[in-house]
This record gives sequence, C-alpha cells and structure tokens, in this order.
Amino acid sequence: SQQGEEDPQALSIQEGENATMNCSYKTSINNLQWYRQNSGRGLVHLILIRSNEREKHSGRLRVTLDTSKKSSSLLITASRAADTASYFCATEVNRDDKIIFGKGTRLHILP
Amino acid sequence: DGGITQSPKYLFRKEGQNVTLSCEQNLNHDAMYWYRQDPGQGLRLIYYSQIVNDFQKGDIAEGYSVSREKKESFPLTVTSAQKNPTAFYLCASSTFGGETQYFGPGTRLLVL
Repeated sequence: SQQGEEDPQALSIQEGENATMNCSYKTSINNLQWYRQNSGRGLVHLILIRSNEREKHSGRLRVTLDTSKKSSSLLITASRAADTASYFCATEVNRDDKIIFGKGTRLHILP
Repeated sequence: DGGITQSPKYLFRKEGQNVTLSCEQNLNHDAMYWYRQDPGQGLRLIYYSQIVNDFQKGDIAEGYSVSREKKESFPLTVTSAQKNPTAFYLCASSTFGGETQYFGPGTRLLVL
C-alpha cells in the first residue's frame, strides 16, 4: 500500500549547492519521517515532523510539512559528497500504527 | 555497542530450500520489523512484532514466516513457497508505540 511518493526520483547537484526533495502522500497522517540510506546499507532516521508542526530543523536539514497539500519537503543545505544516498519519506497514519515508506529519491553530489 | 545486527550479509538459496535470516537487537526495544527492498524501490513490510510471542502479517507475508520467542531476536524464514525471494532484507526495531525505527545493515538474498 503506497502512501508517500518522493519527487524527483533522482537528483544530481554540485557539492555546496542545496538539495530539495519532496514527498506527497494520500491520507491524513499522524507524523512524517525522513530516512537516509547509503548504498547497500540500512536506513538511518533523520528527522520526524508531526502533523501539527510546519517546519523543523536539524543541522543542515530543514523539513517542512503542508497538511493542506499533503506534502513535505526535505532541504539539505551546503551539500557534501557524504550526502550522496537515497532519501525516503515514511508516514504514520494513526498513532502506534505501522509506518509506510515511499520509493525514495536518489541524491548524487558531484565533486 | 548497542544496535541491531543481521546475519549473514549475503545468503544464497537453492531451489526448494528454506533459509533463515537472523536479526538481533540489544536496544531493549519491544517492537521489531522485517522489510523487503527490491532494486530502486521502497521498503515493503513483511512481518512485525510488537511484543514477545506475538506477530502480525505485513503487506507481503506470503512465502515468509517468523517467530518471536525472545525480545532480542526476530528471525525471518524465507520458505520455498516464496517464488521470487531475491531482494535486500532489512530488519528494524523500535520502542513499543515508538515512531522512529532503527535499522540493521541488511541481508542480501540471492537465488542459485
């Protein structure tokens, strides 16, 4: 059951530029999370934003949530080579429910 | 060094064979999860367990089985009924009712 869908599917930018990726979802949610996955590795949790929040920051990460448009964006500022990875959004529809992952955005930082 | 371990890193399955993937955590988490990831795809939930001796089917449970006899361990068996088992398998855990999941490094299953 697909809930979140990331856009774009792939993104290549120069090191030092900002990277923005988006996530759209279909039903109302309790919270939305972003995870990072380096090639061939497990996922790492980046940030969680609740349905009553509009923006959160964590280091070089900025996440926004627009519940009226059912969408979220993840901004990575001053990108680095180490940011090359796939980024997934995951939504929790109801409290204590399982979370549903999107298909991800593949980010490639060019030297 | 707390975390989740999965073994083996690579696993080869022969036709008609059952294979078991190991997942262990020392985070004292109540809930554990198994996901399947195909190339270029997101994660699909196979099974999850929120408490010892109890587990629920996810979206793609057919051809898989699990057990949860201990809090720290949640092994996944890929049975011969799973006709397309080649994939990357990820195990995760969280606190009971927890929102954030912590992932292991994954096991890549290949069919000979």
